[in-house]
Amino acid sequence: DQQVKQNSPSLSVQEGRISILNCDYTNSMFDYFLWYKKYPAEGPTFLISISSIKDKNEDGRFTVFLNKSAKHLSLHIVPSQPGDSAVYFCAASEKAAGNKLTFGGGTRVLVKP
Amino acid sequence: SQTIHQWPATLVQPVGSPLSLECTVEGTSNPNLYWYRQAAGRGLQLLFYSVGIGQISSEVPQNLSASRPQDRQFILSSKKLLLSDSGFYLCAWSGWGSEAFFGQGTRLTVV
Repeated sequence: DQQVKQNSPSLSVQEGRISILNCDYTNSMFDYFLWYKKYPAEGPTFLISISSIKDKNEDGRFTVFLNKSAKHLSLHIVPSQPGDSAVYFCAASEKAAGNKLTFGGGTRVLVKP
Repeated sequence: SQTIHQWPATLVQPVGSPLSLECTVEGTSNPNLYWYRQAAGRGLQLLFYSVGIGQISSEVPQNLSASRPQDRQFILSSKKLLLSDSGFYLCAWSGWGSEAFFGQGTRLTVV
């Protein structure tokens, strides 16, 4: 039972354009959502997060949107840069369950110069 | 500032041999500690988490075990490795917030 799903395994975008990554979840008890970026053979690095009481959070080129009724979140990267090429994971947690993170399967982003 | 150390970076072990991966955190007290595994081409699966010394919760049945002998030390072990134990193992910690911070990972290949 996959509680967090990233249905697009890969995404290719031109440098300077917008990258939109999507994530769906099934557990309505999740109250915190995060995006991580991962390069090969390295640990994931935290990018941006959003609490379930908000619907948008912005940090520089990264914006996360949350649609609770649809159980959907997305990450927008604009403008996309070649250094953004990596695998992106969305994750969700439930405070009452000890803040353990449940991850999606990841989306590989390739930004073409 | 907080740092997390995980070693070794790569490991090749024969089937049936034991395993010990170590993770330590610096710059924080009483962190939550986690072991995740990333199988080839797949997402991150939570294996174990710990909220304190000697307190270990297992998320999935498997051939592995975890221990937390000290506040900032987390160890992943196996008595006899299986081929299916191959993967990329990640240690992580979290504090009061919900963000988890990851080590650099260990690439384990069981041959």
